[in-house]
Amino acid sequence: AQSVTQPDIHITVSEGASLELRCNYSYGATPYLFWYVQSPGQGLQLLLKYFSGDTLVQGIKGFEAEFKRSQSSFNLRKPSVHWSDAAEYFCAVALMDTGRRALTFGSGTRLQVQP
Amino acid sequence: DGGITQSPKYLFRKEGQNVTLSCEQNLNHDAMYWYRQDPGQGLRLIYYSQIVNDFQKGDIAEGYSVSREKKESFPLTVTSAQKNPTAFYLCASSIGTSEGSEQFFGPGTRLTVL
Repeated sequence: AQSVTQPDIHITVSEGASLELRCNYSYGATPYLFWYVQSPGQGLQLLLKYFSGDTLVQGIKGFEAEFKRSQSSFNLRKPSVHWSDAAEYFCAVALMDTGRRALTFGSGTRLQVQP
Repeated sequence: DGGITQSPKYLFRKEGQNVTLSCEQNLNHDAMYWYRQDPGQGLRLIYYSQIVNDFQKGDIAEGYSVSREKKESFPLTVTSAQKNPTAFYLCASSIGTSEGSEQFFGPGTRLTVL
């Protein structure tokens, strides 16, 4: 079955440090890939998405993600974390050619930022 | 401002009662979705609708029902058949129905069964 894995449930980084959040998918073909962010008690906001082309995509708030087909990964990165980045981050895929018109989400990674 | 509204923000229900969660969008989006969020489990799809008067079950549709009588509205009813309804419910919409359409999310409704 198709799935999305975010292996890190919780990550703590210091403000100003770099960040990488991992995402792996299990699917026979390349899906559409998304990263969303959720502040406590709020809805989700799209950070970035990958459909095709350049495997390094830029998003909002200084985030970027790199698609690596050989590793079935789509990791999210930020060179310097700000305290306001503390939130929960979700990787999601849209499965092509399946007729399913909705996203499949990973279980999320909660980011804590230390001063 | 265009967006998605969900009401109420907090909802309390006694066991055995049905309850309806509201979702309205003024983005003129064709597709709408309902997700359930539980701690440590991410979001799971309950139902989605690609067009008015049509909807499909998602991964966890048992105990839930929906309607799509108007393009801008997609209410979700949590019935008494849902065994564990306490959760955070998120509504979303997308402009199209292709796999790559970006989904926009509402602020959510937190349902607690007493």
